[in-house]
Amino acid sequence: QVQLQESGPGLIKPSQTLSLSCTVSGGSINSGHYYWTWIRQPAGKGLEWIGRIHTSGSTNYNPSLKSRVTLSIDTSKNQFSLKLSSVTAADTAVYYCAREAVVGGWYYFDYWGQGTLVTVSS
Amino acid sequence: DIQMTQSPSSLSASVGDRVTLTCRSSQSISTYLNWYQQKPGKAPKLLIYAASSLQSWVPSRFSGSGSGTEFTLTISSLQPEDFAIYYCQQGYSAPPVTFGQGTRLEIK
Repeated sequence: QVQLQESGPGLIKPSQTLSLSCTVSGGSINSGHYYWTWIRQPAGKGLEWIGRIHTSGSTNYNPSLKSRVTLSIDTSKNQFSLKLSSVTAADTAVYYCAREAVVGGWYYFDYWGQGTLVTVSS
Repeated sequence: DIQMTQSPSSLSASVGDRVTLTCRSSQSISTYLNWYQQKPGKAPKLLIYAASSLQSWVPSRFSGSGSGTEFTLTISSLQPEDFAIYYCQQGYSAPPVTFGQGTRLEIK
């Protein structure tokens, strides 16, 4: 059973860089059939896709966040990471990592981490 | 970006009711539509992919249909564990992947 677990600081100050990691267990991150994704959800609101990375190194970012987001992947640790720079209070949210499966041309998020709350406050 | 619009935003229903949730896309997405269920304090869970394919854990009272720009999620007989927020998501075009704003299904 694949499991994903987010880790990182729960509180950061405005203008700093948010850094989160997602550790994948129960399966290899080094598969061509998946993208590794970050999604966030402000309290009481909907889901916002941040971006995804493939083990080939290919990345896609949400245009609304692209200038501030960097995704990376470390196959030796079975881990991928998110960096979001110049954060403001608007970046306060629960951050989820997820696996996006690519099956027969269909793309869907089949495994999710439990989520980690990141609060931006001075 | 492809905009996803769900209706209604919230719905009150009773155990045993049949309910239908709707998701519309701003352009045709064929059947590249997924549904997720989210309970309070939990991560979303994949319910249906490719508009109508149920994940293995999903009871048969759930069904999905639609293609193009209009999709539905139907629960044939609501059970207490079905009260949650449901999100649709288009997997047709990225970036960005986009979600609907969600439908909150509440107990009447």
